[in-house]
Amino acid sequence: AQKVTQAQTEISVVEKEDVTLDCVYETRDTTYYLFWYKQPPSGELVFLIRRNSFDEQNEISGRYSWNFQKSTSSFNFTITASQVVDSAVYFCALTLYNFNKFYFGSGTKLNVKP
Amino acid sequence: EAQVTQNPRYLITVTGKKLTVTCSQNMNHEYMSWYRQDPGLGLRQIYYSMNVEVTDKGDVPEGYKVSRKEKRNFPLILESPSPNQTSLYFCASSSSGGSVLLYEQYFGPGTRLTVT
Repeated sequence: AQKVTQAQTEISVVEKEDVTLDCVYETRDTTYYLFWYKQPPSGELVFLIRRNSFDEQNEISGRYSWNFQKSTSSFNFTITASQVVDSAVYFCALTLYNFNKFYFGSGTKLNVKP
Repeated sequence: EAQVTQNPRYLITVTGKKLTVTCSQNMNHEYMSWYRQDPGLGLRQIYYSMNVEVTDKGDVPEGYKVSRKEKRNFPLILESPSPNQTSLYFCASSSSGGSVLLYEQYFGPGTRLTVT
């Protein structure tokens, strides 16, 4: 069975602080895909990143970076120099190679205070 | 503009009154899916469809029906809604192609359903 755990329910930081959102996944399949989505207060779901299980390179996009470690089954998301606009609920998700079922974590609510 | 649309966006109904939430995408995507979002539970998949006339259950299909008669549309049907189906519902679509080139899901704006 597949499972995604986001143990941090809510995190509060002050603007310009760095923050890491944790994501731990479970699967016995060797080919899978991991995602991060952002849900701002307006409610829409915004795609941030997709990572294949056979590509363990970390990725950086502006202030965002992702650390994928198969050894610990983790796909953590770091925001550097956080801004108020980063306040949102962030979801980590997993799907297998045949791309049918998606498994989402329960989400981490990030509050960035000015 | 590429988009996934859902209607209605908000709905308040009573127990047992059949309803349909429509979902339509204009990107010619093969894959479509329905999710419900509840506090503390994240998004849970209700049903998904790999293509026209091909649908399958997600993790929480009880009390829901779907159909995929056209590629662009994937309606969610609640034949006899109950209060525990009060939730925020999202439709999503993606180009799948069946290869290792996997694309992200595009989500609709959500439908907030209240069943009293």
